[in-house]
Amino acid sequence: EVQLVESGGGLVQPGRSLRLSCAASGFTFDDYAMHWVRQAPGKGLEWVSGISWNSGSIGYADSVKGRFTISRDNAKNSLYLQMNSLRAEDTALYYCAKGEDYFDYWGQGTLVTVSS
Amino acid sequence: QSALTQPRSVSGSPGQSVTISCTGTSSDVGGYNYVSWYQQHPGKAPKLMIYDVSKRPSGVPDRFSGSKSGNTASLTISGLQAEDEADYYCCSYAGSYIYVVFGGGTKLTVL
Repeated sequence: EVQLVESGGGLVQPGRSLRLSCAASGFTFDDYAMHWVRQAPGKGLEWVSGISWNSGSIGYADSVKGRFTISRDNAKNSLYLQMNSLRAEDTALYYCAKGEDYFDYWGQGTLVTVSS
Repeated sequence: QSALTQPRSVSGSPGQSVTISCTGTSSDVGGYNYVSWYQQHPGKAPKLMIYDVSKRPSGVPDRFSGSKSGNTASLTISGLQAEDEADYYCCSYAGSYIYVVFGGGTKLTVL
């Protein structure tokens, strides 16, 4: 059974940093690209960042470029999102999702709240 | 990286059909046959309903179908059921091996 379990969310002040993790199981992790998708309270889905199976291709939404860094450790079946210079508008539920051009499995999300 | 355009809401009665449109550009929807659709019930994670424009994952009822014409993709739900009431999001590959873009979402109400 495929499982994606996010962790690392919480309440953080504007300008501070946070690192999210996603632990994957039930599939061959290093065969697939992985992504972070977020959803602000009451809003729609927003793609945040993606990384190919071998970290050779990485992309970011314009809204986070230069502040967020995606990475993965295939030996640990884990995906990460380092979030720096956090802003109030980064407040959202952050999902990790498996897939190349579509996402067939999603985690339950970890909530990030940016507030003073 | 502009979001794909979806209607804010659609509605239909049980048994009827509804279609949700998703309009992008030649750089995303129109440029690739990599459009997917997700269903999201309140408080739940999104669920893949359609991928590669018109393919259905195992377990998704054949009442759900997808299509594309030019820069616009569509999700059609036939034989509406109460449990279909949810938010629906389209998503398209947008190039450079890893970029994707979502639509703003459509709230489906089953009357």
